[in-house]
Amino acid sequence: DQQVKQNSPSLSVQEGRISILNCDYTNSMFDYFLWYKKYPAEGPTFLISISSIKDKNEDGRFTVFLNKSAKHLSLHIVPSQPGDSAVYFCAATSGGATNKLIFGTGTLLAVQP
Amino acid sequence: GAVVSQHPSWVICKSGTSVKIECRSLDFQATTMFWYRQFPKQSLMLMATSNEGSKATYEQGVEKDKFLINHASLTLSTLTVTSAHPEDSSFYICSVPREWDEKLFFGSGTQLSVL
Repeated sequence: DQQVKQNSPSLSVQEGRISILNCDYTNSMFDYFLWYKKYPAEGPTFLISISSIKDKNEDGRFTVFLNKSAKHLSLHIVPSQPGDSAVYFCAATSGGATNKLIFGTGTLLAVQP
Repeated sequence: GAVVSQHPSWVICKSGTSVKIECRSLDFQATTMFWYRQFPKQSLMLMATSNEGSKATYEQGVEKDKFLINHASLTLSTLTVTSAHPEDSSFYICSVPREWDEKLFFGSGTQLSVL
């Protein structure tokens, strides 16, 4: 049972445009959500997170939106840069950010120059 | 610089041998560390939670006798894949939570290939 889903395995965007990566979850107990960026053969790198008490969190070019009623979150990257090309994982947890994370299957983002 | 050091980065072994993977927290002490596994084109799946000074907590479906976890100190956790088989070939990643700001740091991962 996949509790965290990323339905788009890949996304291609032109440099300078907006990248929107989507994530859906099923467990209503999740109260903290994170986005990670991962290059091949490397560990994930934390990007941005959001608590369930918020519906938006922004950090530079990265913004995460949370829609609790729809159990949906999205990561917006604007403007997209070629260096953003990587696999992006959303993750969810309950009971605090250091608790065990449930990861989605990832979306491969390719930003074309 | 890296906050978590994981070694080796990759390892190739023969079927039936055991492989040890180390995860070190370089900047802070951690009573808990997490071990994940990722198969190709799949998500990272939590295998177990390593607890300093006590037994590890394994997720459902993970064989504790096959994946031995030892959290020997507040900065070191090891995962030993015993009697490895080709189906154990995967990418293993550790993560270490920093309690004061609740940030989670990942190691660089270990690619295990069992022949």
